[in-house]
Amino acid sequence: SYELTQAPSVSVSPGQTATISCSGDKLGDKYVSWYQQKPGQSPVLVIYQDMKRPAGIPGRFSGSNSGNTATLTISGTQAMDEADYYCQTWDSTTYVFGSGTKVTVL
Amino acid sequence: QITLKESGLTLVKPTQTLTLTCSVSGFSLRMSGVGVGWIRQPPGKALEWLALIYYNDDQRYSPSLKGRLTITKDLSKNQVVLTMTNMDPVDTATYFCAHMETGTTGNCFDVWGQGTMVTVSS
Repeated sequence: SYELTQAPSVSVSPGQTATISCSGDKLGDKYVSWYQQKPGQSPVLVIYQDMKRPAGIPGRFSGSNSGNTATLTISGTQAMDEADYYCQTWDSTTYVFGSGTKVTVL
Repeated sequence: QITLKESGLTLVKPTQTLTLTCSVSGFSLRMSGVGVGWIRQPPGKALEWLALIYYNDDQRYSPSLKGRLTITKDLSKNQVVLTMTNMDPVDTATYFCAHMETGTTGNCFDVWGQGTMVTVSS
């Protein structure tokens, strides 16, 4: 079955750029979405179709996808961005979530 | 405004069958391109996709759980129901349902329910 791999954790200073990666076989051939989940809350969609932002998501969130790696970038990271982030993709039969990355804003 | 809300038993015994209901509003389960999925999250662990049903009744299941899951929808009640058989303590998790639309957002889950915590214990 298809797997998406993420680093367990990323640390970033306030105002700096956080880069969260998601890897999978030929992932660049698929659409990737990203979700933010804060403790005790439901996930929130922050990026879909690799790089599009839903209404209400700040412009500091951006995405890219090429080759075997998709990337979520948070520019000018704020304390409120501290959360778990999950990538997700799909093929014709199944949906897959990544293992998740905890972003800590130090 | 699209909303989803999960309901069902919060405590089940091993080997029992779990039935969860997702009550939806703000959209039609008949609408072309619409789907509703179930995703779970064990305490402190990652999200795991379980199943999805499309507007045309097409169903998709996680390969690792396929034999245990059934997803259906009740158009008259605006509900999607997930059943999982032979429950085990490792199935203890928060279960979420979520809205998906293939056309506009490309097979991602754009609106989520609040989740319901299910504990499997004797």
